[in-house]
Amino acid sequence: GENVEQHPSTLSVQEGDSAVIKCTYSDSASNYFPWYKQELGKGPQLIIDIRSNVGEKKDQRIAVTLNKTAKHFSLHITETQPEDSAVYFCAAASYDKVIFGPGTSLSVIP
Amino acid sequence: DGGITQSPKYLFRKEGQNVTLSCEQNLNHDAMYWYRQDPGQGLRLIYYSQIVNDFQKGDIAEGYSVSREKKESFPLTVTSAQKNPTAFYLCASSGRRIQETQYFGPGTRLLVL
Repeated sequence: GENVEQHPSTLSVQEGDSAVIKCTYSDSASNYFPWYKQELGKGPQLIIDIRSNVGEKKDQRIAVTLNKTAKHFSLHITETQPEDSAVYFCAAASYDKVIFGPGTSLSVIP
Repeated sequence: DGGITQSPKYLFRKEGQNVTLSCEQNLNHDAMYWYRQDPGQGLRLIYYSQIVNDFQKGDIAEGYSVSREKKESFPLTVTSAQKNPTAFYLCASSGRRIQETQYFGPGTRLLVL
């Protein structure tokens, strides 16, 4: 079946460094790619998203890039802060389904 | 204050008991979803509904049931047939199209006594 792979599963960075999380999808019909941040014991919150007609999108310290040919997209967080520590999920959506990646646990070390 | 609410925050189930998790949204969204999350795992779709009085099974529907009598509400019942119900349950809503952003509630943690 269709799936979304996400790497790495865990990531530790020093405060102020950048963090990159990569996702690969298999369904070529996917055309919407959201990223969610989930803090412990809470529901996921949308942090940024991108559609297939755009290659890159940026919102302050967060950016997402999409390579449709290679079927992968990445989340970039610059100048990381301790409050960025959380689990991050990518997802790929087509007209009839949304598939989530397994998540990346990001730890930002002060 | 718009959003999605789930209740209760914690729920305990005795063996052989059915329990119902509540999900309400005031975002005027057509579609609603239920996901299950196990520790250290991603999200698995249980059921979803794109319109009132209609719903579809997701990947792990066995042992669960839902109803969609009102646009704002999408309750999930965990039946006694679900042998391993301990998990974190998340409700979400979106516009009618699947490719629209899903907004999640705060979740309900279900524990078995």
